[in-house]
Amino acid sequence: KQEVTQIPAALSVPEGENLVLNCSFTDSAIYNLQWFRQDPGKGLTSLLLIQSSQREQTSGRLNASLDKSSGRSTLYIAASQPGDSATYLCAVRTAYNTDKLIFGTGTRLQVFP
Amino acid sequence: EADIYQTPRYLVIGTGKKITLECSQTMGHDKMYWYQQDPGMELHLIHYSYGVNSTEKGDLSSESTVSRIRTEHFPLTLESARPSHTSQYLCASSRGNEQFFGPGTRLTVL
Repeated sequence: KQEVTQIPAALSVPEGENLVLNCSFTDSAIYNLQWFRQDPGKGLTSLLLIQSSQREQTSGRLNASLDKSSGRSTLYIAASQPGDSATYLCAVRTAYNTDKLIFGTGTRLQVFP
Repeated sequence: EADIYQTPRYLVIGTGKKITLECSQTMGHDKMYWYQQDPGMELHLIHYSYGVNSTEKGDLSSESTVSRIRTEHFPLTLESARPSHTSQYLCASSRGNEQFFGPGTRLTVL
């Protein structure tokens, strides 16, 4: 059974720092991995989608990498801003059931001025 | 970008009431999903649909039911709400293998 873990559970940093959020999964047979952002009491906003054949994806200040063999993905946030404060979730879609996403519990990020 | 709407955004009701949470998307996506999320916890899939007249139960057992009569509409119904149903309910739809989420409905059952 695929399990997804995110470390750290919470992170508080000053504005301007570069950050790395970690996501690990137990079964390397994934179809793709998706990073989301969730603001308090809100839905999820898709940030980046990495296919299993890809090593990384970039969007603005965000860069996500994928190492399938080691069961890990990282989300790199450059020059963090207070507006980046949110919970970041990673989710994997397994190769044998591409219709379902399996979510981690998220990393709650606070960026203070 | 997908547009997914959920109503109501917040709902506080008494035990035993029947409720329907609405979810609509305007992008013509075939696949739609319902997730349940307790505060600080991960999302759990409770229902999904491949298209009209298709509904499947998800990984987390739920007393709710769903229907898919129209492509754009995927309502979730609780026949008799209980305090244990208090949670956030998130609807999603997918284009290809990327899911897009609605804003969620926060349900409180007293």
